[in-house]
Amino acid sequence: NAGVTQTPKFQVLKTGQSMTLQCAQDMNHNSMYWYRQDPGMGLRLIYYSASEGTTDKGEVPNGYNVSRLNKREFSLRLESAAPSQTSVYFCASIQGGTDTQYFGPGTRLTVL
Amino acid sequence: GEDVEQSLFLSVREGDSSVINCTYTDSSSTYLYWYKQEPGAGLQLLTYIFSNMDMKQDQRLTVLLNKKDKHLSLRIADTQTGDSAIYFCAESIVTMPYKYIFGTGTRLKVLA
Repeated sequence: NAGVTQTPKFQVLKTGQSMTLQCAQDMNHNSMYWYRQDPGMGLRLIYYSASEGTTDKGEVPNGYNVSRLNKREFSLRLESAAPSQTSVYFCASIQGGTDTQYFGPGTRLTVL
Repeated sequence: GEDVEQSLFLSVREGDSSVINCTYTDSSSTYLYWYKQEPGAGLQLLTYIFSNMDMKQDQRLTVLLNKKDKHLSLRIADTQTGDSAIYFCAESIVTMPYKYIFGTGTRLKVLA
């Protein structure tokens, strides 16, 4: 099993550009989350999907959109990137029962 | 509001025990977790404890939970240089729609 995979690993954007971060899991988990990690602020939830076909806003959704394409895939889109969106983005899928989260390796995004 | 607090840094000598502490505010947590993040990587689950337990031991790791004081600790016995990382505590909360709160992380440095 690959677990949770994310692409790309690194990305540099100019202000105003758009891009989509991809995430996939092969553990048959229902729930998937997108976080951003900034120095000294821990993890902040951007969006989550409790099951295929549903998505909901987390703490910091402004400037982002998501798509739960199927049970495996959950993508995060930046429509018009801003320097404040420079961060490390993590996708996670959640195992039911213990609610344990399995994280991808992250995407390091810089917006100039 | 709900909050999870950790000290930012801890430095120990190789072979000593490390104790990382965490306090939380929401008493309706179901599970509490410890995650480890190595440089450039995603978070990896180390261990978790159900909220009605006081202690859990897993090889070199011992988790203690004091529900009265809302205090969680992680003890790493015989700390090795490979244990140098950032450690996050987290709680899952039944009453919240996205159910997870992370602390800001404790950076553990192990000195040879």
